[in-house]
Amino acid sequence: GAGVSQSPSNKVTEKGKDVELRCDPISGHTALYWYRQSLGQGLEFLIYFQGNSAPDKSGLPSDRFSAERTGGSVSTLTIQRTQQEDSAVYLCASSPLAGSYEQYFGPGTRLTVT
Amino acid sequence: DAKTTQPNSMESNEEEPVHLPCNHSTISGTDYIHWYRQLPSQGPEYVIHGLTSNVNNRMASLAIAEDRKSSTLILHRATLRDAAVYYCILRDPEGGNQFYFGTGTSLTVIP
Repeated sequence: GAGVSQSPSNKVTEKGKDVELRCDPISGHTALYWYRQSLGQGLEFLIYFQGNSAPDKSGLPSDRFSAERTGGSVSTLTIQRTQQEDSAVYLCASSPLAGSYEQYFGPGTRLTVT
Repeated sequence: DAKTTQPNSMESNEEEPVHLPCNHSTISGTDYIHWYRQLPSQGPEYVIHGLTSNVNNRMASLAIAEDRKSSTLILHRATLRDAAVYYCILRDPEGGNQFYFGTGTSLTVIP
């Protein structure tokens, strides 16, 4: 079946602009995660959605970052007033259940802020 | 979640076994040990996980020390497709929603 998809695959934006990154999780998966990965680094947790529960936003680095998940499916990560340090690969993962041991990752969106 | 320590890089010859170590001396009794790997230009993928007993699946084996303060991911015959960054992660399924990936071990497979 279809895996996790993300769009766009690459995004180049100017400093100060807003960007939106999209994630389509695997159908039926209730949990959705956003991570970012800077060059040569491990993954940094950003935010977690589980069903209709309030999201866990504890990993968001600043109030310029926000995310929503509509209808328990598609999620959008928004970065306002982008800065050069926001340049990274943004990865989305979904999981069938909360606390599930296996996360299924998308290919990521490479964001470059010039 | 408790922290894990892995070597930054390792090399292996093709078709030989690879043992990737992970130290987690502060592991709690409810932490599961997970391994993921990330191939170049891809998102991470699940490899294996365990709690106390050794585990085997089609991809790898996981050997867990008796005191659970360390574990080893075993690839029985390395192939060029196994070249990736391997992450050892601890997670308590009741303790939160985050997976802390760290920087992992970059495995190079030599033909």
